[in-house]
Amino acid sequence: DAKTTQPTSMDCAEGRAANLPCNHSTISGNEYVYWYRQIHSQGPQYIIHGLKNNETNEMASLIITEDRKSSTLILPHATLRDTAVYYCIVNPDFGNEKLTFGTGTRLTIIP
Amino acid sequence: NAGVTQTPKFQVLKTGQSMTLQCAQDMNHNSMYWYRQDPGMGLRLIYYSASEGTTDKGEVPNGYNVSRLNKREFSLRLESAAPSQTSVYFCASSRREAFFGQGTRLTVV
Repeated sequence: DAKTTQPTSMDCAEGRAANLPCNHSTISGNEYVYWYRQIHSQGPQYIIHGLKNNETNEMASLIITEDRKSSTLILPHATLRDTAVYYCIVNPDFGNEKLTFGTGTRLTIIP
Repeated sequence: NAGVTQTPKFQVLKTGQSMTLQCAQDMNHNSMYWYRQDPGMGLRLIYYSASEGTTDKGEVPNGYNVSRLNKREFSLRLESAAPSQTSVYFCASSRREAFFGQGTRLTVV
């Protein structure tokens, strides 16, 4: 039973903002939203996480709706190197839980 | 500070052979994980360990065994390799966000 739902694929023009949506309507009160990405055949890389407030770091911004049932990862100025599969996951903070990945969104940055 | 280190990076096995994939982390994380990723597919959890001395099955545990040797090390063993186990294997560890190794590319012929 998937905890998150993401579009299978998206395209974005180079230099534009890439907005990747994620639905997590069954999220629990103690679960955080985490985003990872996997570039080609490398190991996944952590991007950002949040509980209910919007978060920003050097890589991306995370916008979580007030009801916490969905979120959007924003890459503000997409480059070709941002082409990757992006995974949205919900997990308790400091969670020693089964950490499973869905199929993610394949983001392609178009030159 | 090496993060998560996997050995070997590449391996070719014959059907029926056994081998152990090694994983070590130097971040003092409690949780460690083993995943497999088939070409064009997502990550599937094989086994995980929430703390030293405990292991639990993931989504696809059949054909594999694991050992959490100590807090640093979590190994994955294939007792009798099959062609269906040809895949890229990733180890990860976490306290909060997860950190992944570079992967082991295993081919079973």
